Amino acid sequence: GNSVTQMEGPVTLSEEAFLTINCTYTATGYPSLFWYVQYPGEGLQLLLKATKADDKGSNKGFEATYRKETTSFHLEKGSVQVSDSAVYFCALRGGGTSYGKLTFGQGTILTVHP
Amino acid sequence: ETGVTQSPTHLIKTRGQQVTLRCSSQSGHNTVSWYQQALGQGPQFIFQYYREEENGRGNFPPRFSGLQFPNYSSELNVNALELDDSALYLCASSSGQNNEQFFGPGTRLTVL
Repeated sequence: GNSVTQMEGPVTLSEEAFLTINCTYTATGYPSLFWYVQYPGEGLQLLLKATKADDKGSNKGFEATYRKETTSFHLEKGSVQVSDSAVYFCALRGGGTSYGKLTFGQGTILTVHP
Repeated sequence: ETGVTQSPTHLIKTRGQQVTLRCSSQSGHNTVSWYQQALGQGPQFIFQYYREEENGRGNFPPRFSGLQFPNYSSELNVNALELDDSALYLCASSSGQNNEQFFGPGTRLTVL
């Protein structure tokens, strides 16, 4: 079946540092890939997505590239801010299912200090 | 435009009891998906409803059941509650089965 593996967390950075959160996946077929963010006390928000190999998703300074050869979708940001502190989830959809089931990784807690 | 809302926000039950969680989908959305998020884990797919029919289910026992109403709002029912059912339950709506899912803030269920 489908699965998503994220780097072990938590991640603690100083403001303006470079961020990488690793994500790899296992899926049949051609899944779509997503990064969601969850702020304290809130639901999940879609951060970015990519629907086919070599696509780059980007939003709010975050980027991730769909790498089929390495089955990866790593999240990056060049300069993090305190307001980026949240839990980040990598997810996939598709890979043979006929409905929109999302399969999530375990999440990575990001804390950014001033 | 109103987003996805869920009620109640928090709930405490004891083992063996039954619970009903509610979700109002975003305007114009006809699909609702439910997820269980245990503490420190990613959400796990429970099931999806499309136009009032269940059209996909994750690895959850039959005591997890649901409904979708003509206005596309939805309920999640859990019978014979177990301690491991303690989690954040998330509802997400979308304008189709494979379209972007918009999540509500969740219902925190504690089973004692």
